[in-house]
This record gives sequence, C-alpha cells and structure tokens, in this order.
Amino acid sequence: DAGVTQSPTHLIKTRGQQVTLRCSPKSGHDTVSWYQQALGQGPQFIFQYYEEEERQRGNFPDRFSGHQFPNYSSELNVNALLLGDSALYLCASSFIGQGSYGYTFGSGTRLTVV
Amino acid sequence: DAKTTQPPSMDCAEGRAANLPCNHSTISGNEYVYWYRQIHSQGPQYIIHGLKNNETNEMASLIITEDRKSSTLILPHATLRDTAVYYCIVRDALLGGATNKLIFGTGTLLAVQP
Repeated sequence: DAGVTQSPTHLIKTRGQQVTLRCSPKSGHDTVSWYQQALGQGPQFIFQYYEEEERQRGNFPDRFSGHQFPNYSSELNVNALLLGDSALYLCASSFIGQGSYGYTFGSGTRLTVV
Repeated sequence: DAKTTQPPSMDCAEGRAANLPCNHSTISGNEYVYWYRQIHSQGPQYIIHGLKNNETNEMASLIITEDRKSSTLILPHATLRDTAVYYCIVRDALLGGATNKLIFGTGTLLAVQP
C-alpha cells in the first residue's frame, strides 16, 4: 500500500520564479495538508484541502496557493519566490472519517531558492 | 504557537528505555496528546496518541498524568534507529480530522548511543 508520494524530491529555483510541488495521498485518504519546515525548526502548517476546497490556512502569504484534484491529489504553488522560502515542504494526508487518527506524511520536497 | 514544552535534546543508551517528557499545562478537556517523530531527511511519523488513559502500541507507550498537564513517551528498548526528533502535539479532536492542523514545536532530539 503506497504511502504519501511527493514530487520532485529536490528542486532549485531562482528568486522571483514560481514553483509547483505535487502530492499524492495515501490510498483511502481524502484530505491533504501542506507544511513548510525550515532548517532546525518544526513543520509549520500552510493549508489543508478537502473536497477540492481550502478548509483551513496557516499564517502564510497569498503567494502560497494550492489545489486539490478529484482524485484527492494536491499541488502547492509558490509565486515570486524569496530566499526565505527555502525549506522542506511536507505533504500529509488523512481520512476525514477517522477523526482523531494520525496523519501520514510524505518524505517532502527540498526547495532551495538561490 | 505550540502548546507544548519539550527538552531540546536527550541521550539514551541502546537497549535501555527512553523516556521523553512533555509539558502541556494549558491542555483543554477535548484535546488529545499526539506524538510524532522525524528521522533525518524524512517526513514525520505518527507514533501514538491519547486523551487521558495510558496507551501502548507496538512502537511505544504514552503515560499521561492524572491532571493531563504533562505526559511521557516511553520507547521500551531504544535502538540506534530510534534516533530522531520527537514532537509532542496537543490537538482538538472534536472538530473532525479534516480541520485539525498539527502545530509542531521544535521537539526533542533523541540520540541513542551504542
């Protein structure tokens, strides 16, 4: 049973460019959340998607946007990249019917902005 | 902000029990305590969660104090592969799984020594 799959694994972009990161949730999961993890810090919540809508958002600027597709996969888009956007971007999936059960995380996409 | 306080680092000898403390003095009645760990360069991995009773699974045991203001994660026989950052998180479960974002602190770096 495949877990959460993220692509690409590593990415280097230039300041001012735009980037799209992709996530396929674990089989049976319908909810996708995105997190940003700077070096030495814990993951920070960006937003969460369910039924193709953004349901909750963390303290991130509008440069960060997302999308969820009918097959539950998701994309994270970041516009006008800043050096400070360099981080590990994690996708986590869950099933809404499971209530308090834990999320399943992918291994992340390492984004470097130069 | 994270609602939990953890020591930044701990050491443990291989084969011995690792006891990781967490303070959550402002926890409310409907909040669960979750533990995740993150091995270097991987996404966080769910370990265990509990509300008020002690819990045990194949990975660990969770001991929650009677007043619920603190908890301890116990790895009964630590191995080198248990070296990771361990995150203690409190999370409201009544809102449903899709809207309960995880708020990570900086966690405890557990170093298992041979």
